[in-house]
Amino acid sequence: DVKVTQSSRYLVKRTGEKVFLECVQDMDHENMFWYRQDPGLGLRLIYFSYDVKMKEKGDIPEGYSVSREKKERFSLILESASTNQTSMYLCASRVHTPGMPEAFFGQGTRLTVV
Amino acid sequence: AQKVTQAQTEISVVEKEDVTLDCVYETRDTTYYLFWYKQPPSGELVFLIRRNSFDEQNEISGRYSWNFQKSTSSFNFTITASQVVDSAVYFCASLEGSGYSTLTFGKGTMLLVSP
Repeated sequence: DVKVTQSSRYLVKRTGEKVFLECVQDMDHENMFWYRQDPGLGLRLIYFSYDVKMKEKGDIPEGYSVSREKKERFSLILESASTNQTSMYLCASRVHTPGMPEAFFGQGTRLTVV
Repeated sequence: AQKVTQAQTEISVVEKEDVTLDCVYETRDTTYYLFWYKQPPSGELVFLIRRNSFDEQNEISGRYSWNFQKSTSSFNFTITASQVVDSAVYFCASLEGSGYSTLTFGKGTMLLVSP
């Protein structure tokens, strides 16, 4: 069974902390994505990656960075967490091949910054 | 650039009513894919359906049906005889044909089905 696993379901952090959200996939997918979901705003793309050590900015990259040192792992980093980063974060992966559009999502991480 | 519009923010129905969730998409690509996802209160995204741009055939799966019309750029989702377990946020999404493309989501429609 294919799997995208996010390290935490729930996370509470303090303002100013450095926060790491980890995502691991076991399907050997090239493409990995981080989305943020807020009520009434849908899912918005933060960053994505097509390959190891490659990253591309999505629609809302400000305040975030990412790391992809290994193909199976894509980390989202909040350098200095702020309360407006309280949100649901979803990781996804898919193959790079055109014509194979299925994306697989992790279970989500609900982050609260206090 | 892609765009997906779900004009209905929230819909409330009573059990056994039929309900249609609207989705309008914009894309410049001739090859694209459209999706519907369900997000129950637990937060996980549940994949419901994918349609390809070259296949306008409508689809029915149990109480769920989807109407894809390229002429109106719409991909609407109907639940027949709704149930309380259908209560969730539903997202429509699009993906262009390139391997470099990313999923673009609508803002979601919250469906509340009351007994």
